[in-house]
Amino acid sequence: EAGVAQSPRYKIIEKRQSVAFWCNPISGHATLYWYQQILGQGPKLLIQFQNNGVVDDSQLPKDRFSAERLKGVDSTLKIQPAKLEDSAVYLCASSLAPGQTPRRTQYFGPGTRLLVL
Amino acid sequence: AQKVTQAQTEISVVEKEDVTLDCVYETRDTTYYLFWYKQPPSGELVFLIRRNSFDEQNEISGRYSWNFQKSTSSFNFTITASQVVDSAVYFCARVDFNFNKFYFGSGTKLNVKP
Repeated sequence: EAGVAQSPRYKIIEKRQSVAFWCNPISGHATLYWYQQILGQGPKLLIQFQNNGVVDDSQLPKDRFSAERLKGVDSTLKIQPAKLEDSAVYLCASSLAPGQTPRRTQYFGPGTRLLVL
Repeated sequence: AQKVTQAQTEISVVEKEDVTLDCVYETRDTTYYLFWYKQPPSGELVFLIRRNSFDEQNEISGRYSWNFQKSTSSFNFTITASQVVDSAVYFCARVDFNFNKFYFGSGTKLNVKP
């Protein structure tokens, strides 16, 4: 079974530029998550989708970050404009939907390492 | 706050030594799940184990074992006879039962030297 796919793996941009990350979850997983992981810290949830609806985006900096999950499968996370403090690893994860077991286990992709100069 | 605390920032051991990684959590929920993930240098978080709050039995999987103690809100992870390939950052996490929201600890970096 294929895991969570993410691209690109690495991205270097200058501040004020825009960048987009793509995620393809495990087939059949209705719930998709985007996390930001700053060096030396644990992952921090940015946004959670259930199919194509947003469940939780309370920690998403909405003035510069946006995310969408069209058709309830793939998702994109965008930063516009980027700031120096956005340098981090952006992780995508997916899990089964409520009612399915073991739904609370999240499976993570390899992440995108973003460096903002 | 419903925090997960991993007090050990970094641990170094020599191969074949046993090592225990500590995890202490806070919660107001009566039902919750606890997880351990491994993050090797490649960056991907690898799922290791999930336990629910109703099951306090310790679990062993090969060289890995977990000790869940609800009375002390701890979920410690022991690697027996450590190997160089065990070198990674290990994260403990607690999940909100109703909303499936993960609370991660800050991680413990394990260095296993040959």
